[in-house]
Amino acid sequence: GNSVTQMEGPVTLSEEAFLTINCTYTATGYPSLFWYVQYPGEGLQLLLKATKADDKGSNKGFEATYRKETTSFHLEKGSVQVSDSAVYFCALRETSGSRLTFGEGTQLTVNP
Amino acid sequence: GAGVSQSPRYKVAKRGQDVALRCDPISGHVSLFWYQQALGQGPEFLTYFQNEAQLDKSGLPSDRFFAERPEGSVSTLKIQRTQQEDSAVYLCASSLARLALRYNEQFFGPGTRLTVL
Repeated sequence: GNSVTQMEGPVTLSEEAFLTINCTYTATGYPSLFWYVQYPGEGLQLLLKATKADDKGSNKGFEATYRKETTSFHLEKGSVQVSDSAVYFCALRETSGSRLTFGEGTQLTVNP
Repeated sequence: GAGVSQSPRYKVAKRGQDVALRCDPISGHVSLFWYQQALGQGPEFLTYFQNEAQLDKSGLPSDRFFAERPEGSVSTLKIQRTQQEDSAVYLCASSLARLALRYNEQFFGPGTRLTVL
């Protein structure tokens, strides 16, 4: 079946540091890939997405590139802010279905 | 406009009690999903509706779990004879478009945190 694996957390960074959160996946066919963010006390929000190989999703300074050859969708940001502190989830959606399959989440804390 | 809303936000139940969790999707959204999120884990799919039809219930962990969406809008997730392992956050999501369209985003509600004592 489909699965998503994220790097283990938690991750603690200083403000303006570079962020990478690794995500790899296993799926049949050509899934769409997503990063969701969950801020404290709030619901899941879509951060960015990519629907085919080599697509780059970007939003709020975050980027991720759909790499079919390495089955990866790593999340990056060049300079994190305190307000980026949240839990980040990598997810995929099969081509033939509509459910999302999530990774286990990575807690990010950014200190001033 | 209003997003996805869920009620109650918090529910404490004694083991063996029945609970009902409500989801109000975004108006006009065709698809509705339920997910279960255990502490420290990612959400896991439970069931999916397209309008009033339950098209996929393969993620429901046992026959104690039952979901309905009788008029194709509001949905209720019911858990009978709750057990401690049912403690989790239950998330509802809705999307506008129909099954298998690549670009339909799922909008999530804030969740209901269920604690079974």
